[in-house]
Amino acid sequence: QMQLQESGPGLVKTSETLSLTCTVSGGSVSSSSYYWGWIRQPPGKGLEFIATIYYTGNIFQNPSLKSRVSISIDTSKNQFSLKLRSVTAADTSIYFCASEVSSSEGFDFWGQGTVVTVSS
Amino acid sequence: QSVLTQPPSASGTPGQRVTISCSGSRSNIGSNGVIWYQQLPGTAPKRLIYMNDQRPSGVPDRFSGSKSGTSASLAITGLQSDDEADYYCAAWDDSLNGDWVFGGGTKLTVL
Repeated sequence: QMQLQESGPGLVKTSETLSLTCTVSGGSVSSSSYYWGWIRQPPGKGLEFIATIYYTGNIFQNPSLKSRVSISIDTSKNQFSLKLRSVTAADTSIYFCASEVSSSEGFDFWGQGTVVTVSS
Repeated sequence: QSVLTQPPSASGTPGQRVTISCSGSRSNIGSNGVIWYQQLPGTAPKRLIYMNDQRPSGVPDRFSGSKSGTSASLAITGLQSDDEADYYCAAWDDSLNGDWVFGGGTKLTVL
C-alpha cells in the first residue's frame, strides 16, 4: 500500500514562495505507472488541481496557476516537490499530494494534507 | 466557479437511495472518464469511482457511477450515517494543454 506524506512550512509570508515536499513510501517516483500531483483545498471550499509530474519530467499544470508554479521530482530521495511563487492570502489552503494512475482513473493514493497559511 | 457543476447539497434518510449529478462539457466529461471522490470531515479525499462506473477494491457496491454525454451521476443505495461527507466529481480536461477539473462538491447529509 503506497503512502504519501506532505511536509513544509505551515506559514508563508505574502509575496514569498511556498515550498512543499511529498515523500513517497511503498512505491517509487521513478515508476512508469504513476503521475505525481498536487491538489489544494481552500478553507471551506472545493478541490483545485495544481500540477502533476511524470518521472520523465513531463508536466501538466492548472492554467490559472501555471505562471507561479514549479513542480519537480527527486528520485534519489523518492520525493516530489511544489513551489508556488508570489503567494497571497488566496493561496491559503490545505495542500494534498497524490498519485495519479491515469487520466481515466484519477488519484488513487493521497497524503493526509498540510495546512499552509499565507499572512503578512 | 468550478468547471464541473454539482448541486451544493443533497440529503436522505438511512436506507434511502440518493443521487448526485455532475455536469461538464465535451472537453472533459464528454471525452474522458469521470472520477468520484468522497471526503469525510477532516480527511483527505478517497477515490470512490473511476472510469465512470468502476469501483476500487474495498468500496461497497452501494456506490455506483454512470455517465451519459457530458453528465455523470453518483448513486448511493442503502444510505448509512457514515456516508455523510462531501462528494466531488472530477475529469481530465483536454482543452489547452490538459489538466484536471473538479466539481464544486456536494455535501451529503443523512437525516
